[in-house]
Amino acid sequence: EAQVTQNPRYLITVTGKKLTVTCSQNMNHEYMSWYRQDPGLGLRQIYYSMNVEVTDKGDVPEGYKVSRKEKRNFPLILESPSPNQTSLYFCASSLIPPRDRGFSGNTIYFGEGSWLTVV
Amino acid sequence: TQLLEQSPQFLSIQEGENLTVYCNSSSVFSSLQWYRQEPGEGPVLLVTVVTGGEVKKLKRLTFQFGDARKDSSLHITAAQPGDTGLYLCAGADTDSWGKLQFGAGTQVVVTP
Repeated sequence: EAQVTQNPRYLITVTGKKLTVTCSQNMNHEYMSWYRQDPGLGLRQIYYSMNVEVTDKGDVPEGYKVSRKEKRNFPLILESPSPNQTSLYFCASSLIPPRDRGFSGNTIYFGEGSWLTVV
Repeated sequence: TQLLEQSPQFLSIQEGENLTVYCNSSSVFSSLQWYRQEPGEGPVLLVTVVTGGEVKKLKRLTFQFGDARKDSSLHITAAQPGDTGLYLCAGADTDSWGKLQFGAGTQVVVTP
């Protein structure tokens, strides 16, 4: 079964305590991306990766880091979380990137989300 | 950053009525996707449109991409309670291979 798996699903943490949200996909997809979803703002892209060792900033990368050492994994790292990073986070993957014209026949899969609260 | 504006923000209708959700921008997108999201779950892709003027149908859902590839609409005919959800549009940036811009979403509620 095609899956994007995120962990943890729920986390309450304190300001400044480093944390990592893991994301793993089993579809051999090259493209992966992280988003945060806040009320009234839709999903905002944090980082994306076109392939192993190739990552780039989305629209809201401040306060986040990512790495792509293996094709299947794309962890999101919060080095020093702050309360304004309280949000619902989604990881997504697809075979090809959004700008590719062949994207029309492509499916982008989202994980179930990770609720993060920073107090 | 290419911004996408969705309207309306909220739509409540009775079963059997029709509805239209709009997604507008001043920027051109290489493709545009529509998603539906239910509470506690990730967005699920409904359709991708890539050609200006393109119309795609998915059962009772009709999606249209504007001629200039700056806007799109989603029309639902004879809505059912199962159509209830948050509808999101997302545009693929023309300047970046990997960027995807989402609108803020339209919450649709269909009551029996």
